[in-house]
Amino acid sequence: GNSVTQMEGPVTLSEEAFLTINCTYTATGYPSLFWYVQYPGEGLQLLLKATKADDKGSNKGFEATYRKETTSFHLEKGSVQVSDSAVYFCALQDQAGTALIFGKGTTLSVSS
Amino acid sequence: GAVVSQHPSWVICKSGTSVKIECRSLDFQATTMFWYRQFPKQSLMLMATSNEGSKATYEQGVEKDKFLINHASLTLSTLTVTSAHPEDSSFYICSARPSGRLEQYFGPGTRLTVT
Repeated sequence: GNSVTQMEGPVTLSEEAFLTINCTYTATGYPSLFWYVQYPGEGLQLLLKATKADDKGSNKGFEATYRKETTSFHLEKGSVQVSDSAVYFCALQDQAGTALIFGKGTTLSVSS
Repeated sequence: GAVVSQHPSWVICKSGTSVKIECRSLDFQATTMFWYRQFPKQSLMLMATSNEGSKATYEQGVEKDKFLINHASLTLSTLTVTSAHPEDSSFYICSARPSGRLEQYFGPGTRLTVT
């Protein structure tokens, strides 16, 4: 079945450091891939998405590229801020548009 | 746009009682809504898929008689936890998918505590 694996956290960085959160997936066909962010005490917000191979999703300085050859969708940001501290979830949705399948989440903590 | 609300945001109930949680899409119509459950420091687990005007589809291991889902309109789905027990305490999150689109938009979640 479909599944998502993302790196274990927590990830602790200093402000302006480079961020990478790894995400790999297992799926048949051509799923859509997403990154969601959950700030403390809040619901999930869509951060970025990519719907086909080699697509790059980007938002708020975050980027992720859909790599079919490595079945990956790693999240990157060149310079993190304290306000980026949150839990990040990688997710996939199959071609039929059914419910999202989430990774376990990675907690990011950024200190000034 | 694409705002989803949940009500209540938190609720405390006694063991054996029932609790209803509402999920509303405020500015779009949603043929399909999803209900997830999130345990502390864990990921979201899909409980059921709710389609307007038809019965919900439950994931394996989710008791449909305990978690009643109703999707009576294109903007409202409800989850009723019947005969709640302490082990039902969790964070329940709904999402709504605009008709004809793939993206899902999430509600802020409902924290249920059963004493």
